Amino acid sequence: RKEVEQDPGPFNVPEGATVAFNCTYSNSASQSFFWYRQDCRKEPKLLMSVYSSGNEDGRFTAQLNRASQYISLLIRDSKLSDSATYLCVVNIGWDTGRRALTFGSGTRLQVQP
Amino acid sequence: GAGVSQSPRYKVAKRGQDVALRCDPISGHVSLFWYQQALGQGPEFLTYFQNEAQLDKSGLPSDRFFAERPEGSVSTLKIQRTQQEDSAVYLCASSPGTGGSGVGNQPQHFGDGTRLSIL
Repeated sequence: RKEVEQDPGPFNVPEGATVAFNCTYSNSASQSFFWYRQDCRKEPKLLMSVYSSGNEDGRFTAQLNRASQYISLLIRDSKLSDSATYLCVVNIGWDTGRRALTFGSGTRLQVQP
Repeated sequence: GAGVSQSPRYKVAKRGQDVALRCDPISGHVSLFWYQQALGQGPEFLTYFQNEAQLDKSGLPSDRFFAERPEGSVSTLKIQRTQQEDSAVYLCASSPGTGGSGVGNQPQHFGDGTRLSIL
């Protein structure tokens, strides 16, 4: 089982739609969670951190469910420019001293006109 | 510039050659990470530096891979006797992290990466 798992998609949605991605992680002791966005042939860029109480940034809402060990990303009113791969990122090895982040394989979103 | 800078952007080498990839992190960032990203996959951790100290190299796939950061700023990832399976994008990331509990809790800022192709 992968340490961070995501549905690879692709999710094909029309402009204006609401879309949600989930991600599960293996270590309940993980402390930090992020969503990164990666455009084709570009570097990953931080989209938002995920806080325990959930947080919102404009059209984007992130939620954390520690009991079930998953995080989610909700995108409202999708724009063409939202088309990208969304990477779920967790500090999986926190309790064993690992400082690197662990990335999921990404969920590809294609917003269509 | 203010971001993480990597060079070269593209590197083509013949199997068996040695390559060196450079990373210039954001000024003042203590922590530096190298990742390898294969097509269709997320980045996978290779190694981590805190200043000049290489604190974690558990992700390096073989002893052909070597990384250094001698003065605590610029880092070089070297791959000796390259193999075709080394073809990937190599990403460098940095974070302010002062060590301890701060590092793993901070988001990391990535460079554009070096796309390595081994023929």
